[in-house]
Amino acid sequence: KQEVTQIPAALSVPEGENLVLNCSFTDSAIYNLQWFRQDPGKGLTSLLLIQSSQREQTSGRLNASLDKSSGRSTLYIAASQPGDSATYLCAGMWQAGTALIFGKGTTLSVSS
Amino acid sequence: GAGVSQSPSNKVTEKGKDVELRCDPISGHTALYWYRQSLGQGLEFLIYFQGNSAPDKSGLPSDRFSAERTGGSVSTLTIQRTQQEDSAVYLCASSLARGETQYFGPGTRLLVL
Repeated sequence: KQEVTQIPAALSVPEGENLVLNCSFTDSAIYNLQWFRQDPGKGLTSLLLIQSSQREQTSGRLNASLDKSSGRSTLYIAASQPGDSATYLCAGMWQAGTALIFGKGTTLSVSS
Repeated sequence: GAGVSQSPSNKVTEKGKDVELRCDPISGHTALYWYRQSLGQGLEFLIYFQGNSAPDKSGLPSDRFSAERTGGSVSTLTIQRTQQEDSAVYLCASSLARGETQYFGPGTRLLVL
């Protein structure tokens, strides 16, 4: 059974800090992995999707990596800002068209 | 262009009543997914549509839950004889094709009293 884990559940950092959010998964035969952001009371905003053939994806200050052999993905946020405060969720898909399996998320708080 | 929309945004109902939740996916997206997010449970998959067919209904928690999709577009999730444990945020997502980026709607917050 595939599972996705995110540790820590919560993280607080001062503005300007570079930070890494962690995601681990069982079953290295992952098809793709997607990172989302969720603001309180809102839906999910897709940040990055990494296909199994890729090692990383970048969008602005965000960089996501995927290491299938170790069952890990990281989301790197450069020069964090208070507006980055949100819950970050990673989700894996193990076959095209099947459900995303989500971690419980890391709630990030960036203080000014 | 327009994103995924869901209605209603909030629904309060009494235990035992039926509810219908609606999802309008992004135009042209062939794949549509329903998920449920409840406190302490995280996000759980309910059902996946490819076109109007549902190849994967494995996440529906009981036979009180059903869903359909018509015209390869709008989908409705129906919960019959609602129970308090059905209270959650119901999220819909669509993707251009299976296996591609899923884009989520704002969700319907369901409260069963």
